[in-house]
Amino acid sequence: DTGVSQDPRHKITKRGQNVTFRCDPISEHNRLYWYRQTLGQGPEFLTYFQNEAQLEKSRLLSDRFSAERPKGSFSTLEIQRTEQGDSAMYLCASSHLTQGDTEAFFGQGTRLTVV
Amino acid sequence: GENVEQHPSTLSVQEGDSAVIKCTYSDSASNYFPWYKQELGKRPQLIIDIRSNVGEKKDQRIAVTLNKTAKHFSLHITETQPEDSAVYFCAASIGYSSASKIIFGSGTRLSIRP
Repeated sequence: DTGVSQDPRHKITKRGQNVTFRCDPISEHNRLYWYRQTLGQGPEFLTYFQNEAQLEKSRLLSDRFSAERPKGSFSTLEIQRTEQGDSAMYLCASSHLTQGDTEAFFGQGTRLTVV
Repeated sequence: GENVEQHPSTLSVQEGDSAVIKCTYSDSASNYFPWYKQELGKRPQLIIDIRSNVGEKKDQRIAVTLNKTAKHFSLHITETQPEDSAVYFCAASIGYSSASKIIFGSGTRLSIRP
């Protein structure tokens, strides 16, 4: 499968626990995005990377959220001290920033449920 | 920062009729406007996109128009079919720039009545 893959697909955790999600982008895609989607809403921007550099993090994002892309390939999103309001689908997308090629491809997402 | 507004939030049309979804954006530097379709329980998938050097683009039954002056863009689906039922998202981005990101609208749930 050469698409964007995310792991795990589902995660149930108790409030206060830390969770980490992984995203493997399409090979050679230099841009990687993280979004959060709740029922009936559009994907909400969280952060994005150009290669290993984190270019922007949403101002709405709590300090409990952190993302890394250490080698410019896969990325991890960690949520510390989870809260019930963190329950959502976490989507990863990747694209290749070249002339005329900006399409972002999404992964299947990780559905987080905080109980 | 960029903000994208999308209307309507829900849309129901008779099979065979046309559907129109409208979006506005706030950042005049935006120059790439993709549209995504998301079926229930699935990932968003790109259906068509347009760049700011083009006013209209068509792909079979789907077309997108862009008015840069008014900062409006629209999705038009003609001859709607049951499989067009889904949630549609517009988005805006500044392409080719290291300071870009893709911002999505809140979505339109399209239902096609048989």
